Amino acid sequence: KAGVTQTPRYLIKTRGQQVTLSCSPISGHRSVSWYQQTPGQGLQFLFEYFSETQRNKGNFPGRFSGRQFSNSRSEMNVSTLELGDSALYLCASSWTTSGSIEQYFGPGTRLTVT
Amino acid sequence: GQQVMQIPQYQHVQEGEDFTTYCNSSTTLSNIQWYKQRPGGHPVFLIQLVKSGEVKKQKRLTFQFGEAKKNSSLHITATQTTDVGTYFCAGIGHGQNFVFGPGTRLSVLP
Repeated sequence: KAGVTQTPRYLIKTRGQQVTLSCSPISGHRSVSWYQQTPGQGLQFLFEYFSETQRNKGNFPGRFSGRQFSNSRSEMNVSTLELGDSALYLCASSWTTSGSIEQYFGPGTRLTVT
Repeated sequence: GQQVMQIPQYQHVQEGEDFTTYCNSSTTLSNIQWYKQRPGGHPVFLIQLVKSGEVKKQKRLTFQFGEAKKNSSLHITATQTTDVGTYFCAGIGHGQNFVFGPGTRLSVLP
């Protein structure tokens, strides 16, 4: 089974620009979650999608948005980039069955905002 | 808002020694999850605990969820160099967001 893939792996953008990151989950996984990881703030939850619907959202401004497609692939978008958005963006796909959960992370997209 | 703390922040152990990290939430959690992240790697999901007082084992790792569902622990017996990494807990409170602890960084000296 192929793992979670994220594209691109590295990205450099300028302040004020927007960016779209992509995540392809493990086949059969319908839930995709996004996280931001920085040295200062640690790991923070952005949002979770399940069957094309946003199921949960973290405390991030509206500049951060996401969506999920019918094939479970997900994208997240950050508009009007700020220097503080520089981070490793991780996505994870998961599968839940009665009482048990299986979750796998992708390698992440490292975004640098200059 | 909900806060999740972990202690200790760092732990250095000799290979073969035991290790425990503690996770404490400011609010009652509906569930808690544990992750391991090796240096330069991405997080790896270890386990989810849901029930009050739950104890689960994975080989040398023992996970516990407190009776009040506000704290949890991860204990590693007889650490190995492969256990090196940062261990994160993450919990979701009722009607609240998913919050990660700051992690405990474990170093194992051979």
